[in-house]
Amino acid sequence: DQQVKQNSPSLSVQEGRISILNCDYTNSMFDYFLWYKKYPAEGPTFLISISSIKDKNEDGRFTVFLNKSAKHLSLHIVPSQPGDSAVYFCAASAGFGSARQLTFGSGTQLTVLP
Amino acid sequence: DSGVTQTPKHLITATGQRVTLRCSPRSGDLSVYWYQQSLDQGLQFLIQYYNGEERAKGNILERFSAQQFPDLHSELNLSSLELGDSALYFCASSPGLGQGSNTIYFGEGSWLTVV
Repeated sequence: DQQVKQNSPSLSVQEGRISILNCDYTNSMFDYFLWYKKYPAEGPTFLISISSIKDKNEDGRFTVFLNKSAKHLSLHIVPSQPGDSAVYFCAASAGFGSARQLTFGSGTQLTVLP
Repeated sequence: DSGVTQTPKHLITATGQRVTLRCSPRSGDLSVYWYQQSLDQGLQFLIQYYNGEERAKGNILERFSAQQFPDLHSELNLSSLELGDSALYFCASSPGLGQGSNTIYFGEGSWLTVV
């Protein structure tokens, strides 16, 4: 049972346009959400996060939106750049201390076309 | 460079064999995590160690085991390997116990191919 789902395995966007990556979750106990970015031959790197007490968090070109009632979050990249081409993983966590584990989605391959 | 070092980067082995993947966490980090990424799968959490002790278990098979040594490096042992064990194995580290924050750093991964 996938608790965190990224239903789009891939997304292509033109340079300069907005990229929107989506993520759905089923566990209502998740209270912290993160996006990781992964280039080929590298490990995932942290991009942006949001606590469940917020509905939006912005960091430069990256904005994460959280809709708790829909159990949905999205990552917006504006404007998209060719260097943004990577696999983006959504992750969610719940629990306390060492029980606080990250559950990852299966990833979305973003390709930004020049 | 995340500061997390994994070896080997690539490994090809036959079914039924045993391999050991090694991880050195970032300096000062006490927690080490192991993840598996198979084709079309997200990152599956396998196991976590904190300062030498096992603290959390995820979807880790009984054929797999791990340990964290006094110098805090960790090893993931995979035995009786099957074709389906072919995957990218990531190690990650963090200063504390939980994985809920942005303070978890991933290594570049070890590609295991079982033939």
